[in-house]
Amino acid sequence: DAGITQSPRYKITETGRQVTLMCHQTWSHSYMFWYRQDLGHGLRLIYYSAAADITDKGEVPDGYVVSRSKTENFPLTLESATRSQTSVYFCASSERSNYGYTFGSGTRLTVV
Amino acid sequence: AQSVTQPDIHITVSEGASLELRCNYSYGATPYLFWYVQSPGQGLQLLLKYFSGDTLVQGIKGFEAEFKRSQSSFNLRKPSVHWSDAAEYFCAVGGGDYKLSFGAGTTVTVRA
Repeated sequence: DAGITQSPRYKITETGRQVTLMCHQTWSHSYMFWYRQDLGHGLRLIYYSAAADITDKGEVPDGYVVSRSKTENFPLTLESATRSQTSVYFCASSERSNYGYTFGSGTRLTVV
Repeated sequence: AQSVTQPDIHITVSEGASLELRCNYSYGATPYLFWYVQSPGQGLQLLLKYFSGDTLVQGIKGFEAEFKRSQSSFNLRKPSVHWSDAAEYFCAVGGGDYKLSFGAGTTVTVRA
């Protein structure tokens, strides 16, 4: 099915573990984004990518790593998870010619 | 730096009544403005967007928004609310780099 898919939907991990959140889109959109959503903060940009092999930091990048070897995939890795990274993570994509994000359904991550 | 303020954290409205959600933005150039809606447990869906031209923008689900440059505002309105409009609403501002900054959101409760 066409769209933007995030996996897993739910994840519980322990402090200090590495965890990777996956994001896959089928439209070949140029831009992809990772946001985290926390109560009272709305959505805050973690990392974004303008194209394959081009990534840049957003507002809250510390503790996160991204890669984009293929246009359709944009995984987000927490190198050593901390409790403060407990959040809902949203991936989004956008095309240059039609500016306006399409969001995935989110991953709810709990770090214990 | 770009930013968005949504002054109302929570609004309760009766079914059939009108709704207005406030959004104030800060952006150094001509902004691109968006409203998104999020139902519980879901990703964000684009309601409408403003790039240029007519300052009154029509969106999906009967929503409209008005861009007022002099007030740095982009308020969302709906003439008659339905119970299905209960959700969280986010205003966002961006520019040519395709990065959006989101407000903290306004939760709308619809009472019968």
